[in-house]
This record gives sequence, C-alpha cells and structure tokens, in this order.
Amino acid sequence: DGGITQSPKYLFRKEGQNVTLSCEQNLNHDAMYWYRQDPGQGLRLIYYSQIVNDFQKGDIAEGYSVSREKKESFPLTVTSAQKNPTAFYLCASSLGQANTGELFFGEGSRLTVL
Amino acid sequence: RKEVEQDPGPFNVPEGATVAFNCTYSNSASQSFFWYRQDCRKEPKLLMSVYSSGNEDGRFTAQLNRASQYISLLIRDSKLSDSATYLCAVKPPGGYNKLIFGAGTRLAVHP
Repeated sequence: DGGITQSPKYLFRKEGQNVTLSCEQNLNHDAMYWYRQDPGQGLRLIYYSQIVNDFQKGDIAEGYSVSREKKESFPLTVTSAQKNPTAFYLCASSLGQANTGELFFGEGSRLTVL
Repeated sequence: RKEVEQDPGPFNVPEGATVAFNCTYSNSASQSFFWYRQDCRKEPKLLMSVYSSGNEDGRFTAQLNRASQYISLLIRDSKLSDSATYLCAVKPPGGYNKLIFGAGTRLAVHP
C-alpha cells in the first residue's frame, strides 16, 4: 500500500538533545512537508521541499533542520535550539506541478521533552 | 489577524442534527480551499475540496464565498462517527501545496 511512514510514533527527549524524526513516502510525490501541531492550534509549517536537494523554510523553521537527499525521504531534526519542542509532528507529501491541493499525511510523531 | 480563522467550538449536537462551520481567510488571492477531518490524536485526512460552485458529498456540503472570504461546511443528519475536529485549509498564491490551516472546529455528536 502506498503511503507515508513516520517514525518513531512516540519519542521522549532530554533537554539539550537533538532528535531526528523519520518520514518516508512511496507515493512518488515530489513535494514533502513538515508541520507542527500544538494543542488547540492549527498546523504550522516548519519546512517544505519541492524537489530533491532543495527545501525552504516555513513559518517556524528556527531550531529545526531538514534534508532531502532522496525523493522518498524527508527527515526532520529537532535541535537543542528549539525552545519548546514538545508537540505533534506531521509529515505530508503532495504531487508537485500537477497538484490537486491534497496533502497526504503520515500518522505523526509525538515528541515530549522531559 | 490570523490568516485562517475558525470557531474552536466545541459544537455539541444530537444525532440527526444539522450543523455548520465557517472558516474565514485573510488573503483574497487565495487559490484553493479544503476541509480536513482530524480524529483525536490522529493525522488529518482530506474530507473535501471546496469549489467556487460549491460541492456536495453525501451528507456534507462545502461552500465558498469569495466576496466575504469564508468557506463553510454543512453536515446533515449528524452521526456519532462525525465527532472529530474539522480543519479548514487554504492555499495562498504560489506553487505547490503550501497549505495554511485553521486551528480547527471540534464537533461532538451525542446520542
């Protein structure tokens, strides 16, 4: 089945540690995205990538980094510089030029900083 | 002012009721509009796109009002299984699907 796989689903981190969230898709989509969701808030865009080896900052990129070395993979690193990293992280993908506007989401990764 | 705003609710309705949500957006040049459904602690899933002419999918009807810059979602004959948070999403001008999401409206359908 085609889809987006995020791992881990749950992650606990100590303050000062970097963590990397994995996102893999087999939908052959060009574009991939990372969103963050906090309780009672909408999804906020962290980073997005339209093609391999290219990515752009979203609205809240500070304290995060990404890479896009392969079409199917878009990992997100939450660095120690991120002041309030506890959140629900959602990876998504979409068709590129022929987009319909639909985003396909992974099941999310819930990060808790202890 | 937020780019996309929704009434957070919750909307508590009995089964069989009709309920409507609105979502306002600030950028008049926005191109595409969507409603997503999100169950508790799950990922959002596309419920329906919103076209200029409006569209209907079973018990769900979505409308777009460009003049007043809002979209609406109407749910008829509510089911218990409709209980969820409904997120509206707006695609601003530009390429790809860099959607801006509202905070969501929570719906609770009770027996």
